[in-house]
Amino acid sequence: DAGVTQSPTHLIKTRGQHVTLRCSPISGHKSVSWYQQVLGQGPQFIFQYYEKEERGRGNFPDRFSARQFPNYSSELNVNALLLGDSALYLCASSDLTGGLYGYTFGSGTRLTVV
Amino acid sequence: AQSVTQLDSQVPVFEEAPVELRCNYSSSVSVYLFWYVQYPNQGLQLLLKYLSGSTLVKGINGFEAEFNKSQTSFHLRKPSVHISDTAEYFCAAYHSGGYQKVTFGTGTKLQVIP
Repeated sequence: DAGVTQSPTHLIKTRGQHVTLRCSPISGHKSVSWYQQVLGQGPQFIFQYYEKEERGRGNFPDRFSARQFPNYSSELNVNALLLGDSALYLCASSDLTGGLYGYTFGSGTRLTVV
Repeated sequence: AQSVTQLDSQVPVFEEAPVELRCNYSSSVSVYLFWYVQYPNQGLQLLLKYLSGSTLVKGINGFEAEFNKSQTSFHLRKPSVHISDTAEYFCAAYHSGGYQKVTFGTGTKLQVIP
């Protein structure tokens, strides 16, 4: 079985631009959570989605949005990029409990904003 | 308030020596606790979890952790480390009720010295 897949692996954007990051959970998992990991820090919770509905939202501005599709894959969108948005964005796949039994993480998307 | 606190940002240890990575949790969180490991340029991997039952939890790669309610701690230990254990380790707590999410500590970099 494929693990959690994220795309792209790396990208560079300019301040003010928009970015879309994608994630496919492992087979059988219906929940996707997004985390932002700034260099040297722990992952910070952005969103959790289950069955296409938002189940949790972290302390991030409205520039951040996400959605989940019928096949349980997910997109994270960030508008009006700032230099501070540069980070590793991690997708975490889980069952309906949203991580109670542990997450399976993808390898992440490294976003650099210049 | 921080849900989990990792007291050491970096821990150097010689190969084959024992190691303990410290984690304290806030008594306000539910006692569902985890340790994750992150190797360079990768996502996080679940090492072990405490949900209930025995306070000594064994995980992968020879790691174990002890849940101590009176000291609100969940320290990670390994009796003999290998070079391959060099990585960053994150303590995490699961939040139930309302929004479900997992919050992570700031991480401890374990450097194994040959």
